[in-house]
Amino acid sequence: DAKTTQPPSMDCAEGRAANLPCNHSTISGNEYVYWYRQIHSQGPQYIIHGLKNNETNEMASLIITEDRKSSTLILPHATLRDTAVYYCIVRVAMYSGGGADGLTFGKGTHLIIQP
Amino acid sequence: NAGVMQNPRHLVRRRGQEARLRCSPMKGHSHVYWYRQLPEEGLKFMVYLQKENIIDESGMPKERFSAEFPKEGPSILRIQQVVRGDSAAYFCASSLIPGQSSGANVLTFGAGSRLTVL
Repeated sequence: DAKTTQPPSMDCAEGRAANLPCNHSTISGNEYVYWYRQIHSQGPQYIIHGLKNNETNEMASLIITEDRKSSTLILPHATLRDTAVYYCIVRVAMYSGGGADGLTFGKGTHLIIQP
Repeated sequence: NAGVMQNPRHLVRRRGQEARLRCSPMKGHSHVYWYRQLPEEGLKFMVYLQKENIIDESGMPKERFSAEFPKEGPSILRIQQVVRGDSAAYFCASSLIPGQSSGANVLTFGAGSRLTVL
């Protein structure tokens, strides 16, 4: 799986949009971008994933650049409960029938929502 | 529709004892993954299993650790002769078999089992 680079920490004011960047310049054509988050002491929680088109769900939006070398996760109206470590992961999504199929977590971005 | 269930949530063992952590995947999921998170560190992949098969154990320590996912029942992560360095949170995740048309394989994580070795 390709490596990702994220800022170690970010602050955002409550009620504002939180924009979390991720660089994945070595991403391959068959690799998806996944975002997970881990709220303190809890299990990681899936947020969103995408291949090349922008994606939106009830939690967030994912903007992927045209060259796919970077992406941004957007939490439109951040709340205090969104304080967590956010992980950007690139991964081959099509199961090939063998080998590791798990996620490789980096250090992520610690997002702190300020009241 | 219950999520991924892990038990026990907290386990205390003395050095040299055995620890068994259980994971029941989401209904319909046949792939199970175990991760370990040491205090103040990130999640590290340990092992990936399907029913009755270990697919990838490249993240498992060579000694004292084993995992299984039997035909019936939960997946078990077993740690023999625990040492203080085994104290960590152990997370299990499960996923569907990704179909040829889906192209995506989302992992759903449990709440974790926290092992403390005295």
